[in-house]
Amino acid sequence: NAGVTQTPKFQVLKTGQSMTLQCAQDMNHEYMSWYRQDPGMGLRLIHYSVGAGITDQGEVPNGYNVSRSTTEDFPLRLLSAAPSQTSVYFCASSSTGTGYYEQYFGPGTRLTVT
Amino acid sequence: KNEVEQSPQNLTAQEGEFITINCSYSVGISALHWLQQHPGGGIVSLFMLSSGKKKHGRLIATINIQEKHSSLHITASHPRDSAVYICAVGGQGAQKLVFGQGTRLTINP
Repeated sequence: NAGVTQTPKFQVLKTGQSMTLQCAQDMNHEYMSWYRQDPGMGLRLIHYSVGAGITDQGEVPNGYNVSRSTTEDFPLRLLSAAPSQTSVYFCASSSTGTGYYEQYFGPGTRLTVT
Repeated sequence: KNEVEQSPQNLTAQEGEFITINCSYSVGISALHWLQQHPGGGIVSLFMLSSGKKKHGRLIATINIQEKHSSLHITASHPRDSAVYICAVGGQGAQKLVFGQGTRLTINP
């Protein structure tokens, strides 16, 4: 199992450019999520999905878009990059159900917007 | 006030010392997670608990639901334990997590 994979690992964008951060998992997890991590702050939830075709907003969704066409993939789109989106982005996945489940994180994407 | 507070924010200790990192939360939860993040690295799950105590090697995690408090202990600390330790709590379904700011631990040889 590759677990959770993210591409690219590093990216530099100019203000106003758009791009897509890729996330894939091979564990057949229903739940997937995107977080951003900024210095001095905890991880913050951007968007999440509880299954193919179902997405919802997290704590900081503005400027980001997601879709979930398959169980495996959960791409994050930056519509028009801004310097405030400079951050490290983590994708995570887990099982779902009535219990509680371990979350598996990808290696992260370090994004710089100039 | 953050929903999840960790203390201390930074901790430096000598190899072999007993380490305690604390996490307090203000929301009702289904589960509490302890995560580890090495410098420049990804995030891995150490523990997930909803009551009592769990042990894995030199790491011990405890939770007191009534007091809304959890502790992560490291016995016989080693330089390879140097990392950021993150507490996260989950409510219903436990997948939507709220994270603490993390505790940066440095163990000197």
